[in-house]
Amino acid sequence: DSGVTQTPKHLITATGQRVTLRCSPRSGDLSVYWYQQSLDQGLQFLIQYYNGEERAKGNILERFSAQQFPDLHSELNLSSLELGDSALYFCASSDPGRTIYNEQFFGPGTRLTVL
Amino acid sequence: AQSVTQLDSHVSVSEGTPVLLRCNYSSSYSPSLFWYVQHPNKGLQLLLKYTSAATLVKGINGFEAEFKKSETSFHLTKPSAHMSDAAEYFCVVSPRGGGYNKLIFGAGTRLAVHP
Repeated sequence: DSGVTQTPKHLITATGQRVTLRCSPRSGDLSVYWYQQSLDQGLQFLIQYYNGEERAKGNILERFSAQQFPDLHSELNLSSLELGDSALYFCASSDPGRTIYNEQFFGPGTRLTVL
Repeated sequence: AQSVTQLDSHVSVSEGTPVLLRCNYSSSYSPSLFWYVQHPNKGLQLLLKYTSAATLVKGINGFEAEFKKSETSFHLTKPSAHMSDAAEYFCVVSPRGGGYNKLIFGAGTRLAVHP
């Protein structure tokens, strides 16, 4: 158990809908990262937050957004969903104060299916 | 720019025989290197990380990886495969320092272990 929790575990929805994925980092970790894992794109970095502020963006669509709250949990919002958004979404956390190597600890993921 | 190439998409071994999963990286400066494992329907677990303290890195479950700067390789090995090792393995690179950096994943190697 990495200490990172994600809810829900599974999400099934229809095209055009909006969903919210939630992540709680390991205790004390200030950085939260979101990744998308799909069959055709592999594992790709979406976005990073550090202590409530957006730190870096990767291949994140404009229909997607995220935020990190004062208690450090994070939410990833996906809107106007398309079939191609079906994927496994992972949250990871790290604490830059404890390591220079940037190892990240992953949650179990949320499997999103868009029908 | 950094990148990582996993040279085999699938590796099949018999139980009790050695495992070799190959990874080459590209980085303009000294990176952090990791191996993560993903068991079916599970999240990503950190197997080991390269910290520059030693070129041979020991991880969990009997896995090791050797960092070879001259070959820009970070191959993962295990002397004797176990059925429970069947999973997908990811070689990962990240800029070192600051702890603010995304992870860059290889495409993954699926390891099958046969009785």
